[in-house]
Amino acid sequence: QVQLVESGGGVVQPGRSLRLSCVASGFNFRAYGMYWVRQAPGKGLEWVSTLSGDETMSHYADSVKGRFTISRDNSKNTLYLQMDSLRTEDTAVYYCAKKLPGSYYIGIDYWGQGTLVTVSP
Amino acid sequence: DVVMTQTPLSLSVTPGQPASISCKSSQSLLQSDGKTYLYWYLQKPGQPPQLLIYEVSSRFSGVPDRFSGSGSVTDFTLKISRVEAEDVGVYYCMQTIQVPPTFGGGTKVEIK
Repeated sequence: QVQLVESGGGVVQPGRSLRLSCVASGFNFRAYGMYWVRQAPGKGLEWVSTLSGDETMSHYADSVKGRFTISRDNSKNTLYLQMDSLRTEDTAVYYCAKKLPGSYYIGIDYWGQGTLVTVSP
Repeated sequence: DVVMTQTPLSLSVTPGQPASISCKSSQSLLQSDGKTYLYWYLQKPGQPPQLLIYEVSSRFSGVPDRFSGSGSVTDFTLKISRVEAEDVGVYYCMQTIQVPPTFGGGTKVEIK
């Protein structure tokens, strides 16, 4: 069965960096695009970034563009999110999510359990 | 950006009764490939979201048939034919036809 396990969250000061990882199993990782989606405490879902299976296409939310970098290592079945210049408003649970089969613009079928990032002075 | 507007914000339902959630998009979600990129997710308390419905009306694997999706272009509906206690949580619609993908604000479903 599909499993997505995030790690790397924690408490960090504003301006610092953090790298999230998501280890995938149960499917052909390199064949699927992946998402990062976040959820601030008590709030709704916010898309962060998307990366295609072959890393040729990626997109970022305006709120993180230039500060976050999505990448993957298909040999390790792992998705990453490098988060630099963190701000207090980046505080959220970050979910790794797998795309449905299909085009780059398709939605999500499976979500990880999430990892909490807290940005606080 | 495509704005997704969900109504109502919350719903209190007696077990066994039906429930309906509306999601309206600010732009058409019908893609040139003929598909409509509208999805429904349920986030149960303390859990990540889970996919219920993809491409407007297709039930995802393992989703009970009391859940159904309908609609087209900009107006979409999720219906639960007979609500059960395990259906509590927040329901979100999502569009992926355009970057950025966007979510509705969520509809909280509670049991009376």
